Amino acid sequence: QVQLVESGGGVVQPGMSPRLSCEASGFTLSKHAIHWVRQAPGQGLEWVAGITYDGSNKYYADSVKGRFTISRDNSKNTLYLQLSSLRSNDTALYYCAREGNGSPDLWGQGTLVTVSS
Amino acid sequence: QAGLTQPPSVSKGLTQTATLTCTGNNNNVGYQGVAWVQQHQGHPPKLLSYRNNQRPSGISERFSASRSGNIASLTITGLQPDDEADYFCSAWDSSLSAWVFGGGTKLIVL
Repeated sequence: QVQLVESGGGVVQPGMSPRLSCEASGFTLSKHAIHWVRQAPGQGLEWVAGITYDGSNKYYADSVKGRFTISRDNSKNTLYLQLSSLRSNDTALYYCAREGNGSPDLWGQGTLVTVSS
Repeated sequence: QAGLTQPPSVSKGLTQTATLTCTGNNNNVGYQGVAWVQQHQGHPPKLLSYRNNQRPSGISERFSASRSGNIASLTITGLQPDDEADYFCSAWDSSLSAWVFGGGTKLIVL
């Protein structure tokens, strides 16, 4: 079954640095760029970060640059997003999305990160 | 980062046709092409269209997309109750080196 499964979310305090994971199955992760997209409660979609198929290039939204780090381990079919210096407005459902034909063609179910002291 | 512009909501009657718009600039909509995703309440987004007007396998022919200059459109014909959802456009922005999304349009089927 072709799917992406996110994990690692939960209730986190502002000083914590959780790592989100996105495990791929049913397709070869190493052939695709992958992105993280988040959605705050009741809000729209916000692109967070992206990484090329081989990890050679990484891109970040201004809102997370210097605080979040995207990485991948193709041998484990897994993508990561390391979060740090969290703020209340980082509270959101974090999706990973596969890039196909330049578009987000496969989405996971998301993992919820709630930043609360 | 600047996003794409979509109307917040569109209301149409059952079996009617709805056209949703997405406005950007030469660096995003007018650059590599636009994708459209559909999101039902409580569910992840689902790709409806890519590269301006290509439809993934399994997507109904009732959904068609186009682009004219820096404005992209998604047309849904024969509206059904299940079409009631949020629709987002997205594109790679070459000047920002970032994906940008529209704010989303809530389609209401009356």
